[in-house]
Amino acid sequence: AQSVTQPDIHITVSEGASLELRCNYSYGATPYLFWYVQSPGQGLQLLLKYFSGDTLVQGIKGFEAEFKRSQSSFNLRKPSVHWSDAAEYFCAVGVTGGYNKLIFGAGTRLAVHP
Amino acid sequence: GAGVSQSPSNKVTEKGKDVELRCDPISGHTALYWYRQSLGQGLEFLIYFQGNSAPDKSGLPSDRFSAERTGGSVSTLTIQRTQQEDSAVYLCASSRASGPGNTIYFGEGSWLTVV
Repeated sequence: AQSVTQPDIHITVSEGASLELRCNYSYGATPYLFWYVQSPGQGLQLLLKYFSGDTLVQGIKGFEAEFKRSQSSFNLRKPSVHWSDAAEYFCAVGVTGGYNKLIFGAGTRLAVHP
Repeated sequence: GAGVSQSPSNKVTEKGKDVELRCDPISGHTALYWYRQSLGQGLEFLIYFQGNSAPDKSGLPSDRFSAERTGGSVSTLTIQRTQQEDSAVYLCASSRASGPGNTIYFGEGSWLTVV
């Protein structure tokens, strides 16, 4: 069955530090992979997505993610975190089969210290 | 509006009552999804609409849950005889079409509390 694992429930970083959020997926075919961010009181916003091609994808707000098929991973990175990046981050795999059904991980809550 | 709109944004109801949650997708979006986000949990898929039909209802937790979509636009998620375990954020999302290349846009959710 398809699944997404985000091993870190909470992460705290200092402002200006680098960030990596881990995501591992289980899916039999070539995955469509997504990272969403949810700020307090707001809906989910798409940060970036991977469908095919270059395994390093760039997103909004300075985020990037790298697809590694051999590790079944799609980790999210940012070189320098800003206080406004504090939010919950969700990794998702798109299950194909006629439509785009997203299977989400449990999320990683990011706190940023000044 | 430009985004997915959901109402009510917050709802407190007594156990055993029925509730209706409404979703207005982005104009022109044919695909509509409902997800549920429980405290400390990820997002759980509930149902998918293409137009007014629901090819995938596999995520609805029980027969107390139902949803419909009319005019290829507005959708209503109904929970009958609410239970405390139904307390969650119910998120609606839409996309222009249903293929995997189409970005899914989420609303801000309806926070449901069953007391």
